Amino acid sequence: KNEVEQSPQNLTAQEGEFITINCSYSVGISALHWLQQHPGGGIVSLFMLSSGKKKHGRLIATINIQEKHSSLHITASHPRDSAVYICAVGMDSNYQLIWGAGTKLIIKP
Amino acid sequence: EPEVTQTPSHQVTQMGQEVILRCVPISNHLYFYWYRQILGQKVEFLVSFYNNEISEKSEIFDDQFSVERPDGSNFTLKIRSTKLEDSAMYFCASSSNPVGLALDTQYFGPGTRLTVL
Repeated sequence: KNEVEQSPQNLTAQEGEFITINCSYSVGISALHWLQQHPGGGIVSLFMLSSGKKKHGRLIATINIQEKHSSLHITASHPRDSAVYICAVGMDSNYQLIWGAGTKLIIKP
Repeated sequence: EPEVTQTPSHQVTQMGQEVILRCVPISNHLYFYWYRQILGQKVEFLVSFYNNEISEKSEIFDDQFSVERPDGSNFTLKIRSTKLEDSAMYFCASSSNPVGLALDTQYFGPGTRLTVL
């Protein structure tokens, strides 16, 4: 059983659309991370959250600890947002990050 | 802006050979990590390192793997006798606090692509 599940696996949208990517997890966590992996492979941390909501520019991340669920939203999407978005959870008890499989997002102009 | 660097960007080696992947974490960070990503698969945690010792390691990190901080700036991952299945992208990361115990962001290097022939 996967400890971190993301949906959808792939998402193609038109420029300007509102994007939602979901993440569910089954373990106790201290923090949840959203990361972006570019086509070249580089990984950039977008958010780390343990409760509530965070916003950075056009990106919004929310987490519901009771439901063990988080969402990443992109407003006014742009082709440069095309990347793989990965949810990873920091375990309660150790230093590990458990990674989801990622959502491949393509924004068409 | 400070960044994590990794060398080489691509390493090709023969099966059975030893490889050392190098990372220079952000200078005031205290916690260091190695991850790997086999092509087309998810990123997997290998090991975390703090205060000159391993804090946590995954099942993947067996006796063939070792990590070291030889000189206070470099953080290395050694694979003693490479196997075909070690072919992957290896990412180094650093943070000023550990993920599990405090709220902090991990900063990732660009990765080293290891190809074992």
